[in-house]
Amino acid sequence: DTAVSQTPKYLVTQMGNDKSIKCEQNLGHDTMYWYKQDSKKFLKIMFSYNNKELIINETVPNRFSPKSPDKAHLNLHINSLELGDSAVYFCASSQEGGQSHGYTFGSGTRLTVV
Amino acid sequence: AQSVTQLGSHVSVSEGALVLLRCNYSSSVPPYLFWYVQYPNQGLQLLLKYTSAATLVKGINGFEAEFKKSETSFHLTKPSAHMSDAAEYFCAVSAGAGGFKTIFGAGTRLFVKA
Repeated sequence: DTAVSQTPKYLVTQMGNDKSIKCEQNLGHDTMYWYKQDSKKFLKIMFSYNNKELIINETVPNRFSPKSPDKAHLNLHINSLELGDSAVYFCASSQEGGQSHGYTFGSGTRLTVV
Repeated sequence: AQSVTQLGSHVSVSEGALVLLRCNYSSSVPPYLFWYVQYPNQGLQLLLKYTSAATLVKGINGFEAEFKKSETSFHLTKPSAHMSDAAEYFCAVSAGAGGFKTIFGAGTRLFVKA
């Protein structure tokens, strides 16, 4: 039973489209995150939610909108996709801020915008 | 503000040789430090963590890291490399009050030669 699961695993779409990525965790954690990993493997935090409340919102274009319907789910909706959005998006979860036990990551969603 | 610097984007060792991956951190408060490993097409997996207890931290797969405050370092070592250790390794620091934001280094790709 996967601890942090993301769907879809691969997403190929055209510029200008709107797409969503879903994430679910069954670890009972209260904090979830979205990270973007670029082609050089650099990881950058996008958002973090604690108990469904937005805690961290980095300088991400407002075309990206996260939604957390409950503690176990964090979805990412992207409007008007651009070529530069192509990356691997990782969902992660932790108990509280993750300082004591680190994060558990999903296996990623590879987004390709053509 | 917290940050991490990983020295060397690529490290190559022979099977059975010592693995040393370097990480230096910057933090205005006592840091929480982590090493993660990423195998191809997978998410990140926590290797080990430093949370202000013992300065020598043991992790999974025979890896360990030593926290040295005077050198602001948290280098990762393994006495004898195995082919299966070939992967991308990330050093990370927990940032922000209570965490909720982990900042990752740029990563070091470890190659293991037969």
